[in-house]
Amino acid sequence: GQQLNQSPQSMFIQEGEDVSMNCTSSSIFNTWLWYKQDPGEGPVLLIALYKAGELTSNGRLTAQFGITRKDSFLNISASIPSDVGIYFCAGLNDYKLSFGAGTTVTVRA
Amino acid sequence: GAVVSQHPSRVICKSGTSVKIECRSLDFQATTMFWYRQFPKQSLMLMATSNEGSKATYEQGVEKDKFLINHASLTLSTLTVTSAHPEDSSFYICSARGPSGTSYEQYFGPGTRLTVT
Repeated sequence: GQQLNQSPQSMFIQEGEDVSMNCTSSSIFNTWLWYKQDPGEGPVLLIALYKAGELTSNGRLTAQFGITRKDSFLNISASIPSDVGIYFCAGLNDYKLSFGAGTTVTVRA
Repeated sequence: GAVVSQHPSRVICKSGTSVKIECRSLDFQATTMFWYRQFPKQSLMLMATSNEGSKATYEQGVEKDKFLINHASLTLSTLTVTSAHPEDSSFYICSARGPSGTSYEQYFGPGTRLTVT
């Protein structure tokens, strides 16, 4: 499959902080998606982006589809404890999803 | 919303035996389902695309004779891991294309943890 580079690999947050992660690809995608996966569960769709340059919000989540269609970022504002988990970006061409390696978000002790 | 279930959620089997995993769309019909494999702390890798009433399409490097897929109805796809070995131990996740037919709309099951001893 096509490779997506996601960063950072992991991050520690304190409640109330803003969180940012991004994804880049050498390939163009028609659609970018962001998923969250809790341990032992399947991914849950957070945001879908369809147009280059599109900025979309879903509650405290904001994501943008890069103008070149080769990158995307996800921001989480005012993080709360339930934001911990693994976040994956995914690019969609035709009907196939290619996933990034994931960003693990953990609460800082 | 569209719900996808998987059964079993966890399975332990002995090396050399076969294991069947079921993926069901509970409240919608899914002509296309997908099977992914996820190793610990890694991403989801697409194994195959399952189309109702036709043969599955496997990704490069995935052995079709080892991972048998049957999509016999619009709500059920099964993945059978044949002659399982310890290296097949992984988290297997299915997804189904949503009822609207929009290509992005994939709903994921909760996954099946396979451990081969």
